[in-house]
Amino acid sequence: DIQMTQSPSSLSASVGDRVTITCQASQDISNYLNWYQQKPGKAPKLLIYDASNLETGVPSRFSGSGSGTDFTFTISSLQPEDIATYYCQQYDNLPPGITFGQGTRLEIK
Amino acid sequence: QVQLQESGPGLVKPSQTLSLTCTVSGGSISSGGYYWSWIRQHPGKGLEWIGYIYYSGSTYYNPSLKSRVTISVDTSKNQFSLKLSSVTAADTAVYYCARVPMVVGYYFDYWGQGTLVTVSS
Repeated sequence: DIQMTQSPSSLSASVGDRVTITCQASQDISNYLNWYQQKPGKAPKLLIYDASNLETGVPSRFSGSGSGTDFTFTISSLQPEDIATYYCQQYDNLPPGITFGQGTRLEIK
Repeated sequence: QVQLQESGPGLVKPSQTLSLTCTVSGGSISSGGYYWSWIRQHPGKGLEWIGYIYYSGSTYYNPSLKSRVTISVDTSKNQFSLKLSSVTAADTAVYYCARVPMVVGYYFDYWGQGTLVTVSS
């Protein structure tokens, strides 16, 4: 099975900062990597799919990049409403399965 | 706009079977093009994929839960369901249902609000 390593587990940053979260797969997953935002008490929300595609309606300050085993999620200018936990998620077709990263809790400094 | 809503008991006794239903509105399960999935989140923890089903009844389960999980679909009611047998306190979690477009890299684009299920006597 493919393992996902997401880092950091927590992050504190100031409004306006550039924030970067990484996710590493234990083997090549092409671009089958998605990113979600989860606010307390709410369901996760899809932000980025297929590593770099912005979901409709998601602000352009969110972006994703990478392929193969190394992926990056970036918030270009942190806003107060971005406080949440962020998860990466990969899809593996042999056998069919889905795995999430451990999550990154983002706080305002 | 597609909406998903979980329903079912919030309290289940150990060794019993957890049963939840997800009702889909704003779109038909039987129109195809999507998998319908269950995900859970232990209190204060990360997300765990449980499994998904196609409207035809084809299913895929997380290997770690496969022996205890059954996902079924009722297209006449536009619902799909989760059964998890022989539950223990370790199955206490928020359970989400979600939609998965049938594209190459599967992702969850619509989610229910989640329902907390507590396993306790």
